[in-house]
Amino acid sequence: AQKITQTQPGMFVQEKEAVTLDCTYDTSDPSYGLFWYKQPSSGEMIFLIYQGSYDQQNATEGRYSLNFQKARKSANLVISASQLGDSAMYFCAMREGGANSKLTFGKGITLSVRP
Amino acid sequence: DSGVTQTPKHLITATGQRVTLRCSPRSGDLSVYWYQQSLDQGLQFLIQYYNGEERAKGNILERFSAQQFPDLHSELNLSSLELGDSALYFCASSSGPTMRDGYTFGSGTRLTVV
Repeated sequence: AQKITQTQPGMFVQEKEAVTLDCTYDTSDPSYGLFWYKQPSSGEMIFLIYQGSYDQQNATEGRYSLNFQKARKSANLVISASQLGDSAMYFCAMREGGANSKLTFGKGITLSVRP
Repeated sequence: DSGVTQTPKHLITATGQRVTLRCSPRSGDLSVYWYQQSLDQGLQFLIQYYNGEERAKGNILERFSAQQFPDLHSELNLSSLELGDSALYFCASSSGPTMRDGYTFGSGTRLTVV
């Protein structure tokens, strides 16, 4: 079974609108962390936001917020006030098994922001 | 600059050849991870080293090998290259001690096998 599932093939959003990128995960480890990364066309991996399994509140980082629904095992990324520079591939990833453990990535979602 | 240095940035080589990709982790980071990103694919975990020792292994082909040296830099060796090995290879490092201490990625090495 896939650990991280990102099923949206591609998303389009109008500039200045909000968009939600979906991510579901599968783990039996009670301690895990969820990450979102952005990969623009230039190729680098840019860390956006982190949510720990024991965190009581949803994570927020500027225009990025994470809608964490633990019982449903979902960790959706919400980007508010989209900008043209947000056009990129977005990856959800999970870390389980403690610090210094590997990240397992989903297949990613392409986001295109329309002017 | 993320602090993780990967060289070379681009590499073009022929089938059957062998190449070495190099990664210098961020200062103080003991863990190094290697990932392969093929066209239209997510990042596939290859292997992890922690302070010189292999810590975890993913879907790494037998033709591929890696090591981490005493100065903590790591090398990924790819041999008997095939066209399908063309990909973006990332190195990442992490410092711990908590899971919140996420990865720092290098800018990647783009390998093209012709």
